[in-house]
Amino acid sequence: DTAVSQTPKYLVTQMGNDKSIKCEQNLGHDTMYWYKQDSKKFLKIMFSYNNKELIINETVPNRFSPKSPDKAHLNLHINSLELGDSAVYFCASSLRLGGFGAGELFFGEGSRLTVL
Amino acid sequence: GESVGLHLPTLSVQEGDNSIINCAYSNSASDYFIWYKQESGKGPQFIIDIRSNMDKRQGQRVTVLLNKTVKHLSLQIAATQPGDSAVYFCAEKPGGSNYKLTFGKGTLLTVNP
Repeated sequence: DTAVSQTPKYLVTQMGNDKSIKCEQNLGHDTMYWYKQDSKKFLKIMFSYNNKELIINETVPNRFSPKSPDKAHLNLHINSLELGDSAVYFCASSLRLGGFGAGELFFGEGSRLTVL
Repeated sequence: GESVGLHLPTLSVQEGDNSIINCAYSNSASDYFIWYKQESGKGPQFIIDIRSNMDKRQGQRVTVLLNKTVKHLSLQIAATQPGDSAVYFCAEKPGGSNYKLTFGKGTLLTVNP
């Protein structure tokens, strides 16, 4: 069974469109994250939710809106897509927020978004 | 040297050799560090972690060394295998109630058979 699963794996869309990426974890973790990885492989945190509560919002444009319906799910909705949004988006989860050992993140396989 | 296109630091080793991947971290207040491995087309995977009150930790074939004086972290892989070929990231967590894990630039390790 996949621990952190995200869909879709690939997404190709036109500028200006709205799209969503879904993430689910079956690890029973309290905390979930979205990371963005650019073409240079640089990984940057976007959001973190702990038990459905937004904890980290890392100066991401308002066009990005995370939603956590329950602690096992964290979805990412992106409005008015721009060329610069093209990247691989990774969902991750950790056992709990903060604390030694809790920093171990379990990542999904990534969703490659291409905006044309 | 750097890999053209990706602009990642690269390390190329022969199978069976030992590899050392280095990382300079930025925050002297960071209290927890992790190494991740990312294979092509996959998400990063946890390798090993270390707390700031330690200077060395060993796992299976991997050792992490922490030098807080110069804010330097290294990952040593013994008897490197082709399956070790991947991008390796160090990550740091600031101390206190800041829960944000910040990733370093990444190093591409290529193991030649």
